[in-house]
Amino acid sequence: QVTLKESGPALVKPTQTLTLTCTFSGFSLSTSGMRVSWIRQPPGKALEWLARIDWDDDKFYSTSLKTRLTISKDTSKNQVVLTMTNVDPVDTATYYCARALIAVDAFDIWGQGTLVTVSS
Amino acid sequence: DIQMTQSPSSLAASVGDRVTITCRTSQSISSYLNWYQQKPGKAPKLLIYAASSLQSGVPSRFSGSGSGTDFTLTISSLQPEDFATYYCQQSYSTPTTFGQGTRLEIK
Repeated sequence: QVTLKESGPALVKPTQTLTLTCTFSGFSLSTSGMRVSWIRQPPGKALEWLARIDWDDDKFYSTSLKTRLTISKDTSKNQVVLTMTNVDPVDTATYYCARALIAVDAFDIWGQGTLVTVSS
Repeated sequence: DIQMTQSPSSLAASVGDRVTITCRTSQSISSYLNWYQQKPGKAPKLLIYAASSLQSGVPSRFSGSGSGTDFTLTISSLQPEDFATYYCQQSYSTPTTFGQGTRLEIK
């Protein structure tokens, strides 16, 4: 069974750095064709893709947020980590990690999400 | 980035109705279009990938069609559990982008 779970702080102050961890099971990110993305959703708003890391360590970022994001993986721990610098209240959202298979090219399995509030 | 436009933004329908949601993209994406269903407080769920392929376990009343820039998601006979928000997503190019969502409500 494939599962993903996000973890991180529920509350972050403006200008701080947010670090989120996606811990997954049921697949390996060293397997050819595997991808893990981070996607967020502000309260009451639409989904916004943030970043992706592939099995071969290729990394891709949102055009508007790329200067603030870093994605990395620890294959031995089955984890993907996203850091976002200089957070602002507009970054308040539920943050999801999701798996994609290159053959399907869609997010077939999602984590439950973690709500992050940016406030002083 | 490829822009996604869903219509309508919201829709009220009754159990048993046939419903169609449209997604239009700012440039041609071949068939690289996916559909998701999201219920309140839950993560999105993949329904359709590659424009018309039904994800495993998804009821056959859901179907997708289209290619190029115009796509549709059809629910042939609405069930009570189908009232949710639906999103389209293009996987043709990175960054991937989502539509703004269509909220399907009970009439």
